Amino acid sequence: GESVGLHLPTLSVQEGDNSIINCAYSNSASDYFIWYKQESGKGPQFIIDIRSNMDKRQGQRVTVLLNKTVKHLSLQIAATQPGDSAVYFCAEIRRITGNQFYFGTGTSLTVIP
Amino acid sequence: DGGITQSPKYLFRKEGQNVTLSCEQNLNHDAMYWYRQDPGQGLRLIYYSQIVNDFQKGDIAEGYSVSREKKESFPLTVTSAQKNPTAFYLCASSIGTAGTEAFFGQGTRLTVV
Repeated sequence: GESVGLHLPTLSVQEGDNSIINCAYSNSASDYFIWYKQESGKGPQFIIDIRSNMDKRQGQRVTVLLNKTVKHLSLQIAATQPGDSAVYFCAEIRRITGNQFYFGTGTSLTVIP
Repeated sequence: DGGITQSPKYLFRKEGQNVTLSCEQNLNHDAMYWYRQDPGQGLRLIYYSQIVNDFQKGDIAEGYSVSREKKESFPLTVTSAQKNPTAFYLCASSIGTAGTEAFFGQGTRLTVV
C-alpha cells in the first residue's frame, strides 16, 4: 500500500552537531511536503515545506531536501539545540485525493547537552 | 489571535459512554481534520471535512462520528463502539488547497477509566 514512512524512529545527537531526519514516500503524485515538529503533549507545529517542483528549500537553521527520483525527503537541522528535542513528522499532500495530508510515523530526536 | 482550539485538554470517559471532543478555528479555513495518535505511532486520520455540511471517513472512522454544521467547528464524538478509545486526539485545519499547511490544535488526551 501507499505510505509515508521514516527510516529511523529515534535519533540522538550532541548539542551543536547537525541532525538529519529522513522520510520515504511511495506516491510520486504528491504535490507538496511539510515537516512538522511535535513537542511532548502538544500539537504538531509547522517547520518548513517544499513543493514537488523543488529540490531544496532553506529556512532558519533548517533545510529540506527532496529527491523525487528515489522518493526521499530529509530535514537537516544545523547546530542542533536542546530545544530541538521533539518528534518530527513528514507529511505529504496529494491534490488527487482532495489535498489530504498523509503523515509518517515520526522520528524522535533527542539532543544531548 | 487566530488559531485552532481544542477542548478539553484532558478527558476521562467511562466504558460504554459517548464523549464529544471540541475543535474550533477562527482562521476561516474550509478544511478540518481529526487525527488519532497512539504512543510511538504516527497520526492516523479519523475524519475530514473539506466544506461545511460535508465530511468524509478517514482510515480509522469506525466508532467515531463528526458533524460540520458551521465552518469554524468540527466536533468529534467517540462512541461506545470504539473499543480502544484511549489516545491523543488532534484536530487540524487548512485553507483546503494544495500547497498550504495544516494548523493543529494542542490536542485532547482521552482516557477510558
